[in-house]
Amino acid sequence: GQQVMQIPQYQHVQEGEDFTTYCNSSTTLSNIQWYKQRPGGHPVFLIQLVKSGEVKKQKRLTFQFGEAKKNSSLHITATQTTDVGTYFCAGHSGNTGKLIFGQGTTLQVKP
Amino acid sequence: DAGITQSPRHKVTETGTPVTLRCHQTENHRYMYWYRQDPGHGLRLIHYSYGVKDTDKGEVSDGYSVSRSKTEDFLLTLESATSSQTSVYFCAISDLPNTGELFFGEGSRLTVL
Repeated sequence: GQQVMQIPQYQHVQEGEDFTTYCNSSTTLSNIQWYKQRPGGHPVFLIQLVKSGEVKKQKRLTFQFGEAKKNSSLHITATQTTDVGTYFCAGHSGNTGKLIFGQGTTLQVKP
Repeated sequence: DAGITQSPRHKVTETGTPVTLRCHQTENHRYMYWYRQDPGHGLRLIHYSYGVKDTDKGEVSDGYSVSRSKTEDFLLTLESATSSQTSVYFCAISDLPNTGELFFGEGSRLTVL
């Protein structure tokens, strides 16, 4: 079945450094979504990418969807302590409502 | 915040007992989901529903059943709980076929002794 792999599992950075998490799917995705979960909280939607090669930005966050629609990345420029949390990618494959999540990348930011 | 509530929020039970978790929404969304979250595994889909009495299996459905008799409620049942089902369970709703964004509940922490 569909699998979504995400790396790295953990990342520790100094405040001000950049951070990137990568997401790879075993199947072609119809779209990719990104979520953020703060410690002790629930996942919160960040963005959805639909088109091949799409790039979207939200302030210091840049999201990319690969040309083959099987991979994606999230890049944070100049991390801040408020960026701490776990970032998940999730993908729909085909026309079902089944949304499969990656394992997540937990970001720690040292002030 | 989306109108989605989970109950109970915390439960401790013993191996072999049945457990039912409830997810209630006030958004009239068609799609509802149950995920479990465990360290190192992220969020794994158990079951999801695309309408009243319409459900499908996810990645880790063994040992779980679901029911959706009305739009607002999606129940997750563990017929005979095992220690491997100790986890945090999240319900989510989606406005598919619109944006497809998932809105999550606060989670239910289940401990099976």
